[in-house]
Amino acid sequence: KQEVTQIPAALSVPEGENLVLNCSFTDSAIYNLQWFRQDPGKGLTSLLLIQSSQREQTSGRLNASLDKSSGRSTLYIAASQPGDSATYLCAVCIIQGAQKLVFGQGTRLTINP
Amino acid sequence: DVKVTQSSRYLVKRTGEKVFLECVQDMDHENMFWYRQDPGLGLRLIYFSYDVKMKEKGDIPEGYSVSREKKERFSLILESASTNQTSMYLCASRPGVESPLHFGNGTRLTVT
Repeated sequence: KQEVTQIPAALSVPEGENLVLNCSFTDSAIYNLQWFRQDPGKGLTSLLLIQSSQREQTSGRLNASLDKSSGRSTLYIAASQPGDSATYLCAVCIIQGAQKLVFGQGTRLTINP
Repeated sequence: DVKVTQSSRYLVKRTGEKVFLECVQDMDHENMFWYRQDPGLGLRLIYFSYDVKMKEKGDIPEGYSVSREKKERFSLILESASTNQTSMYLCASRPGVESPLHFGNGTRLTVT
């Protein structure tokens, strides 16, 4: 059974720092991996999608990498801003059966001005 | 931009009521999903649908049913609401497996 883990559960950094969020998964049989952000009381906003054949994806100040063989992905945020404060979740789309997404528990990020 | 719209942001229902949660997407997506999100348990898949009139159980289907009569609309039904169904319900859609999943803003349901 696929399991997705995000460590740490919470992270607090000063504004302007570059930071890395981690995501690990137990089964490499995936179609893709997706990163989301969630603001309090809201739905999830898609940030980046990396297909299993890709190594990384970039969007603005965000860069996501994928190492399928080791079961790891990172989300790099450059020059962090207070508006980046949110919970960040990763999810893998499994190949077997339903092709559903399995989510990590998220990392709650706080950027201090 | 993809728009996934959930009909209610907040809902309060009584135990035993039949509850309908509606979700509409405007991008002709094939796949639609219903998740619930609870503190400490994360997002859990209730039901999903590959296409009109097609549905599959997710990880926690007990106490729920779904309906997809039209491609753009996916409804979650709580047959007889119970207090343990108090939760945030999130609807999502995507064109297919290689595309990103897009979520609605969620419905926070309280069952008293």
